[in-house]
Amino acid sequence: AQKVTQAQTEISVVEKEDVTLDCVYETRDTTYYLFWYKQPPSGELVFLIRRNSFDEQNEISGRYSWNFQKSTSSFNFTITASQVVDSAVYFCALQNYGGSQGNLIFGKGTKLSVKP
Amino acid sequence: EAGVTQFPSHSVIEKGQTVTLRCDPISGHDNLYWYRRVMGKEIKFLLHFVKESKQDESGMPNNRFLAERTGGTYSTLKVQPAELEDSGVYFCASSLDSDRVNEKLFFGSGTQLSVL
Repeated sequence: AQKVTQAQTEISVVEKEDVTLDCVYETRDTTYYLFWYKQPPSGELVFLIRRNSFDEQNEISGRYSWNFQKSTSSFNFTITASQVVDSAVYFCALQNYGGSQGNLIFGKGTKLSVKP
Repeated sequence: EAGVTQFPSHSVIEKGQTVTLRCDPISGHDNLYWYRRVMGKEIKFLLHFVKESKQDESGMPNNRFLAERTGGTYSTLKVQPAELEDSGVYFCASSLDSDRVNEKLFFGSGTQLSVL
């Protein structure tokens, strides 16, 4: 089965707190891609990161960091020193290399609320 | 540069009626995708156009849904006749790269369809 699970439906933090959004995936393929998208209140999904299954190096981009662990099939996303502008729904997604282009398998999303 | 635009942003119709959703991709993007998110569920892939050709329509729910992309520019998604379970948010995305490794999807803000 191919599936993405985001167990946290909603998270609420106070500004400047660190927060980690969990993502666990299932796939039969050995080659695949993992993604995170942000959906702000305006509605569109904004691409944050793509990770190739062969590259387990963690990535940091400003306050954002991603931890990819194949051993636990997880691709977690951490926001350091959260800000109100980080409030959004965040989606984790999987794309199998053998699957057709654009055929992403999404999780249900985690709604993050950052309060001032 | 204009992003992916979708019309209308909201549509409320009665069961049995017809609705047509429109998506204008970013100019020059050959790839166009439709996705749907039913409330409480994951975002699901519907289909993929390359220019005016349907590359993959494996996600289309049934024959009440018809997608077109005449001329390879904007696309329409028609639901006829609409059923209650068709309610949800319909997203459109476009991309420039045909290379899966480098492809970056740009999403629109979605059309919220409510079938009463």
